[in-house]
Amino acid sequence: EIVMTQSPATLSVSPGERATLSCRASQSVSSNLAWYQQRPGQAPRLLIYGANTRATGIPARFSGSGSGTEFTLTISSLQSEDFAIYYCQQYNKWPPALTFGGGTKVEIQ
Amino acid sequence: QVHLVQSGADVKKPGASVKVSCNASGYTFTGYYIHWVRQAPGQGLQWMGWINPNSGGTNYAQQFQGRVTMTRDTSISTAYMELSRLRSDDTAVYYCAKAPRGAATDYFDYWGQGTLVTVSS
Repeated sequence: EIVMTQSPATLSVSPGERATLSCRASQSVSSNLAWYQQRPGQAPRLLIYGANTRATGIPARFSGSGSGTEFTLTISSLQSEDFAIYYCQQYNKWPPALTFGGGTKVEIQ
Repeated sequence: QVHLVQSGADVKKPGASVKVSCNASGYTFTGYYIHWVRQAPGQGLQWMGWINPNSGGTNYAQQFQGRVTMTRDTSISTAYMELSRLRSDDTAVYYCAKAPRGAATDYFDYWGQGTLVTVSS
């Protein structure tokens, strides 16, 4: 299966600052990469798909980039509601097993 | 609007089975794959497999093969995930999630609210 590795595990950021989260795949997944936000006690919410396309209703401060094995989620100016855990997920056609990264917790500095 | 509503929390003894339901509304149930993802307490997300609601075809993650069964009832737009021979490390929140494009390998645009399954003697 494709292993997804996220870094850092925890990111301490002040409100208004920029956050940069990384996700690496053990083999190329092309642009078949999604990002999710999970707040405590809630289900994950889709932020980005196709590596760089924002889902419906997602603010423009969230942006995704990358392809192949290296991906980045950037939050340009952190708002209070953005402090959460972020997961990447690959959905490459082969092998046909979907996998998630271990998550990055964005906390208030 | 799309909604996925799951059954309520459950407590099971080791060795038992649990069946979680996921009722879909707001879209054509048979048009989009339903996946199941679980999350152990304080841990990350783990994909379990998918079901094609149209054909009933399934694909399970290797670590669950032989213990998981995914089914559906199209008459009530509901998908089910049954996990057998439960162990304490199966204690987790189980989510159903809808894939948006009619493809098996995909991302998830809508999620259920989650169902906590606790395995304890």
